[in-house]
Amino acid sequence: EPEVTQTPSHQVTQMGQEVILRCVPISNHLYFYWYRQILGQKVEFLVSFYNNEISEKSEIFDDQFSVERPDGSNFTLKIRSTKLEDSAMYFCASRSLRSDGCFGPGTRLTVT
Amino acid sequence: DQQVKQNSPSLSVQEGRISILNCDYTNSMFDYFLWYKKYPAEGPTFLISISSIKDKNEDGRFTVFLNKSAKHLSLHIVPSQPGDSAVYFCAASGGEYGNKLVFGAGTILRVKS
Repeated sequence: EPEVTQTPSHQVTQMGQEVILRCVPISNHLYFYWYRQILGQKVEFLVSFYNNEISEKSEIFDDQFSVERPDGSNFTLKIRSTKLEDSAMYFCASRSLRSDGCFGPGTRLTVT
Repeated sequence: DQQVKQNSPSLSVQEGRISILNCDYTNSMFDYFLWYKKYPAEGPTFLISISSIKDKNEDGRFTVFLNKSAKHLSLHIVPSQPGDSAVYFCAASGGEYGNKLVFGAGTILRVKS
């Protein structure tokens, strides 16, 4: 069964550094999402992406965040200058018109 | 501002019995509801969904009930199995939220054998 994959599984970075989290959505899906879950808190929506552009973003998704679909298969989340409070599990999700969201296994980002 | 609430942080059930997980929402514009299961160190896995035009949807051991007037939905798992032990998230979409998901805080289900 097709699944969403994410790399790396764990990323440790220093405050102020740039990180890129990578996702490979399910191949025939059209909608792509990033969510995050800070330890002990809710899963929060960050951004949705459709037709090669951002369709929605939350207040969390400020100028430090960006998303790209550089090659038609990968879907990346970049954080330009990480802060301590960016430490969280980041989940990528994708869906087609008729499917429910399929989530990847997540990338644990630790900012020190 | 909690649009989707799961008021029980945890639930413990004996194997073979029914597990009932509850979820309340405040936004009447939500029109699609989902339940996800999450194991530690894994992403949420879709379980079952229900559209606001229905009041029940069943898939094997899992049944979701929707009470629109009470803005309440519940997930029933019967019979519960030890492998069902996980965190269960209720999520909603629709209205001004479009197709993005608004999650509840989750309920930890422990099924004891």
